[in-house]
Amino acid sequence: RKEVEQDPGPFNVPEGATVAFNCTYSNSASQSFFWYRQDCRKEPKLLMSVYSSGNEDGRFTAQLNRASQYISLLIRDSKLSDSATYLCVEGAGSYQLTFGKGTKLSVIP
Amino acid sequence: GAGVSQSPSNKVTEKGKDVELRCDPISGHTALYWYRQSLGQGLEFLIYFQGNSAPDKSGLPSDRFSAERTGGSVSTLTIQRTQQEDSAVYLCASTSGTSTYNEQFFGPGTRLTVL
Repeated sequence: RKEVEQDPGPFNVPEGATVAFNCTYSNSASQSFFWYRQDCRKEPKLLMSVYSSGNEDGRFTAQLNRASQYISLLIRDSKLSDSATYLCVEGAGSYQLTFGKGTKLSVIP
Repeated sequence: GAGVSQSPSNKVTEKGKDVELRCDPISGHTALYWYRQSLGQGLEFLIYFQGNSAPDKSGLPSDRFSAERTGGSVSTLTIQRTQQEDSAVYLCASTSGTSTYNEQFFGPGTRLTVL
């Protein structure tokens, strides 16, 4: 059974803090990985893809560890607008994505 | 350009009634997905369309659920004889390619409440 496991949180952090989320996946054959962001009562939106070499987009850094089958997301200098649920996603096979249940982040003033 | 649209945005129905949910994908997107998200749960895959064909219907929870796509564009998800456990947000997503490397663009969802 394909599963993506995440700590549901919530993670409550002050503005300016650095916060990290991990997720684990079960399918060693998975080829693509993503972080999606979902605001309350809104649809998910792609935050960033995750590459084997690790990748950075502004304050966000994503890492993939294939040996341990986990993915991480690091957010530096947290903003109030970062408050959302972050969904870890793996793609195995040709078309299907498997979504984790999400990690809720609240950035507090 | 226009994103993925879904209608209705909210639907309240009585147990036993049939409902039809509609998805308009981004123009030119060949792949279309339906997901279900229950309160506090992750996205549950329901069905995938490539063009008008549905090579994977494995996620449909029962034979009360069906979906079709016409003209390689609009898709409808039909739930017959709705049950209270069908209450959820139904999300549609489309993508331009056929691989999992392509970003999925989601619609705003239809919030279904079965009384």
